[in-house]
Amino acid sequence: EIVLTQSPATLSLSPGERATLSCRASQSVSSYLAWYQQKPGQAPRLLIYDASNRATGIPARFSGSGSGTDFTLTISSLEPEDFAVYYCQQRSNWPPPSFTFGPGTKVDIK
Amino acid sequence: EVQLVESGGVVVQPGGSLRLSCAASGFTFEDYAMHWVRQPPGKGLEWVSLISWDGGSTYYADSVKGRFTISRDNSKNSLYLQMNNLRAEDTALYYCAKATNNWLDPWGQGTLVTVSS
Repeated sequence: EIVLTQSPATLSLSPGERATLSCRASQSVSSYLAWYQQKPGQAPRLLIYDASNRATGIPARFSGSGSGTDFTLTISSLEPEDFAVYYCQQRSNWPPPSFTFGPGTKVDIK
Repeated sequence: EVQLVESGGVVVQPGGSLRLSCAASGFTFEDYAMHWVRQPPGKGLEWVSLISWDGGSTYYADSVKGRFTISRDNSKNSLYLQMNNLRAEDTALYYCAKATNNWLDPWGQGTLVTVSS
């Protein structure tokens, strides 16, 4: 089973600052990695898929990079609505297919 | 607009059973695989199960294998999760989500299952 590790657990930043979130896989997932945003009381929302592609309607300040085992989600300039929890997720095609999420990184206001 | 609305979450005793439903609209339901994902209160996300577009293939997390059954009725645009032999650790908000390639998008708002005596 592929395990995802996210760091840091909490990131305390101010609006306007740059946020850099990390996700590391226990073995290569190629580019099969996504990022989701979850705000309190809301369902998760897909932000980035295939490691670097923004989902429909996602602002350009969100970007993803990486391949293999190391991935990064960058928020170039934090808006007030960006303070939330961010999860990475991978899909393994090894029969049977399975899906795992990282433990999450909380971005809160400093 | 794609909408997913879960229902069926209640308080149930350990060892009990429950069936969750997810009503889909705004897309051609029969064309897409569907997921269930859960989130214990205050904790992270755990993938639970996946069903293919026609219901012919189903997959489960090890934590629920043998106890949960995913199914769908394409004539009713509905997804289901039959949960048997429930345990305290199954307490969570259960989300359904549309499978878009390898990803989950969008998600419903969830239905809360509480397993407690």
